[in-house]
Amino acid sequence: IQLTQSPSSLSASVGDRVTITCRASQVISSYLAWYQQKPGKAPQLLIYAASTLQSGVPSRFSGSGSGTDFTLTISSLQPEDFATYYCQQVNSYPLTFGGGTKVEIK
Amino acid sequence: QITLKESGPTLVKPTQTLTLTCTFSGFSLSTSGVGVGWIRQPPGKALEWLALIYWDDDKRYSPSLKSRVSITKDTSKKQVVLTMTDMDPVDTATYYCARRPGGFVGDGFDNWGQGTLVTVSS
Repeated sequence: IQLTQSPSSLSASVGDRVTITCRASQVISSYLAWYQQKPGKAPQLLIYAASTLQSGVPSRFSGSGSGTDFTLTISSLQPEDFATYYCQQVNSYPLTFGGGTKVEIK
Repeated sequence: QITLKESGPTLVKPTQTLTLTCTFSGFSLSTSGVGVGWIRQPPGKALEWLALIYWDDDKRYSPSLKSRVSITKDTSKKQVVLTMTDMDPVDTATYYCARRPGGFVGDGFDNWGQGTLVTVSS
């Protein structure tokens, strides 16, 4: 299953609402996770099952979608949110990741 | 507190076999549903899932690497070992191990090691 993220990069300001899209090449129900990765660090799980917030993750992060189209939203971008974001499908093997979306400072 | 840490060589020669060990703490790989996987990331590129082993010794592999990769576990030592044969410069990447907690529909990898950079060069 291929995952296509868009955009591949974006520039935004602190306080902006940011939306990242992940599209699957076939139906994956709600079996999608989102990760945040900062330079030189391991990815961190933000959301699983498409919309369930991982423990400890700020509530400004939210996920939605099912089937083939999914969205990660950051309601009010904070300085620590500048990073690369990946989606991952866990519906079937092989597990696959999207190509990533880099969120940069405007 | 859950921790995972990768260990192994930082430099391997082409055609050699890479062996990486993931040593973890704070959870048991004998708990129903739990798995430990390996994921890699070439410099400046996206994440790529390699393999996953579950509490019941069920093993899953990326088809693109299946002939070269093997994953095993030692539950008592709290270790998971990844072996990759016939290494090539394109395999240069940071290799991560991560826990899949199980028990949740649609769960991802909730805890990751710090990663280890493996360079393939003669």
